[in-house]
Amino acid sequence: GNSVTQMEGPVTLSEEAFLTINCTYTATGYPSLFWYVQYPGEGLQLLLKATKADDKGSNKGFEATYRKETTSFHLEKGSVQVSDSAVYFCALISNFGNEKLTFGTGTRLTIIP
Amino acid sequence: ETGVTQSPTHLIKTRGQQVTLRCSSQSGHNTVSWYQQALGQGPQFIFQYYREEENGRGNFPPRFSGLQFPNYSSELNVNALELDDSALYLCASSLNSQGAGGLDTQYFGPGTRLTVL
Repeated sequence: GNSVTQMEGPVTLSEEAFLTINCTYTATGYPSLFWYVQYPGEGLQLLLKATKADDKGSNKGFEATYRKETTSFHLEKGSVQVSDSAVYFCALISNFGNEKLTFGTGTRLTIIP
Repeated sequence: ETGVTQSPTHLIKTRGQQVTLRCSSQSGHNTVSWYQQALGQGPQFIFQYYREEENGRGNFPPRFSGLQFPNYSSELNVNALELDDSALYLCASSLNSQGAGGLDTQYFGPGTRLTVL
């Protein structure tokens, strides 16, 4: 079946540091890949997505590249801000089976001033 | 464009009771998916509705049931509540433009936090 493995958290960084959150996946077919962000007490917000190999999703300074050869979709940001503190979820939808999102366990990110 | 809304925001029930959670999909979307997010975990797929029919179900017992209405809003019903049902319940809507099997982006509501005592 489909699965997503995320970097263990929590992650604590200083403001303006470089961020990487690792994500690898297992899926049948050709999945679409997503990063969602969850701020305290809120639902999930779509951060970025990529639908085919070598696509790069980007939004709000965050980027992730769909790497089929390494089955990875690592999230990066060059200079984090305190407002980026949240829980980040990597997820996929496969084109085999029903239309469910399969999520990783989430990575809690805390940015300190 | 109206986003996904859910009601109520919070709910407290006792074991054995029944609960109904509601979701209004984003304007123009025809598909609603429900997820359960336990504390500190990623969301787990419960089921999905496409054009008022169930279009896939996760590993949840039959006491979890749902409906989708002609205006594409949806309900999640849980009977015989158990303590482990305490979680954040998330609704997501999408536009499935390719029929069953499309890979359309899902947009989430703020969730309903259910506490079972």
